[in-house]
Amino acid sequence: DIQMTQSPSSLSTSVGDRVTITCRASQNISSYLNWYQQKPGKAPKLLIYAASSLQSGVPSRFSGSGSGTDFTLTIRSLQPEDFATYYCQQSYSFPYTFGQGTKLDIK
Amino acid sequence: QVQLQESGPGLVKPSETLSLTCTVSGGSINSYYWGWIRQPPGKGLEWIGYIFYSGSTNYNPSLKGRVTISQDTSKNQFSLQLTSVTAADTAVYYCARYTVVVPGYNWFDPWGQGTLVTVSS
Repeated sequence: DIQMTQSPSSLSTSVGDRVTITCRASQNISSYLNWYQQKPGKAPKLLIYAASSLQSGVPSRFSGSGSGTDFTLTIRSLQPEDFATYYCQQSYSFPYTFGQGTKLDIK
Repeated sequence: QVQLQESGPGLVKPSETLSLTCTVSGGSINSYYWGWIRQPPGKGLEWIGYIFYSGSTNYNPSLKGRVTISQDTSKNQFSLQLTSVTAADTAVYYCARYTVVVPGYNWFDPWGQGTLVTVSS
């Protein structure tokens, strides 16, 4: 199985901050990488697919980049509704696997 | 707009079979892939498997042959069965549409709201 490792596991941030979350794959997954946002008690929501494509309806302050083994999710100017847990997921090979999550807290 | 809703028992006894149904509204299941993902309380996400409208399926080997995903196109539903459950199968179970553009470029969207299934005697 491909292991997905996110860093940091948690981050205390403030409204207006620029935030970068990193996801590293245990092998080359090209750009077959998705990002999801999950708020407490809610289902995950797709933010970014194919490493850098913004899902329809997602604010443009979210962006994704990377290929191969290293990927980043960037949130430009954090908003109050962005405090959540973020997961990366590889779609390169079965079984599909997720990172362990990165939780954004209010500082 | 496609919406998904999970339903089924919230409590299952150890060694018994967990059965959940996902009802799709706002679109037909006669296209796309449809999948299940679970999340143990306070933990991360685990892909369970998917079914294509043709009936083909793919499962996570970690579930060691205990899982079956099926569909009922007349009801616009697909279902999950997980046999011989233990406490380790306690989780929120989500159903989701699985979009495949080309092999590799695929993702889960949208998701159902999730349903908590507890395995306990």
